[in-house]
Amino acid sequence: QQPVQSPQAVILREGEDAVINCSSSKALYSVHWYRQKHGEAPVFLMILLKGGEQKGHEKISASFNEKKQQSSLYLTASQLSYSGTYFCGTEYQANNLFFGTGTRLTVIP
Amino acid sequence: KAGVTQTPRYLIKTRGQQVTLSCSPISGHRSVSWYQQTPGQGLQFLFEYFSETQRNKGNFPGRFSGRQFSNSRSEMNVSTLELGDSALYLCASSLFRGNTGELFFGEGSRLTVL
Repeated sequence: QQPVQSPQAVILREGEDAVINCSSSKALYSVHWYRQKHGEAPVFLMILLKGGEQKGHEKISASFNEKKQQSSLYLTASQLSYSGTYFCGTEYQANNLFFGTGTRLTVIP
Repeated sequence: KAGVTQTPRYLIKTRGQQVTLSCSPISGHRSVSWYQQTPGQGLQFLFEYFSETQRNKGNFPGRFSGRQFSNSRSEMNVSTLELGDSALYLCASSLFRGNTGELFFGEGSRLTVL
């Protein structure tokens, strides 16, 4: 039931873009994205519901492809503050969320 | 507004011992979820409590248990500790039942089992 995230790790230079993918083998009700900076608590970014809705949070946006059971997180013009581990959480039935293993993003000057 | 508070932040135990971790949610939040975080497995869901009742449980052995008090504070207990229980244990609170709304995480309790 745990979603699969890819890539596992990525290194970017400031200003570059990145895409993090989250896929599931089961039909999804919603997808959640969180970011955890080193030594800190995970912080909520956004929730996407069924319907392929794209949401945005500053220069971070995400899409949800219901047919493919996939979600992608887009980070544009990355900043040093974007460094951290990104987790997607997938909801298959109401009131239960399963997180992926995370994608470690490092932004260098 | 105070965030989610977890105590203790760090602890070291030996195999066979038991441990109790505490979580104080954000004021007004009635749902508390617990997660185990390890480098290879990411965030693994343990259980969720709402209004003092366990609403959901993840795929963990019975050695892992929890409870929630009337003030929404929650405790998690692990008995007969094993080396593999070494992990960061995260607590998250939410306004509504279920762990599918916006979760507010604490900084975690890092458990090392020797």
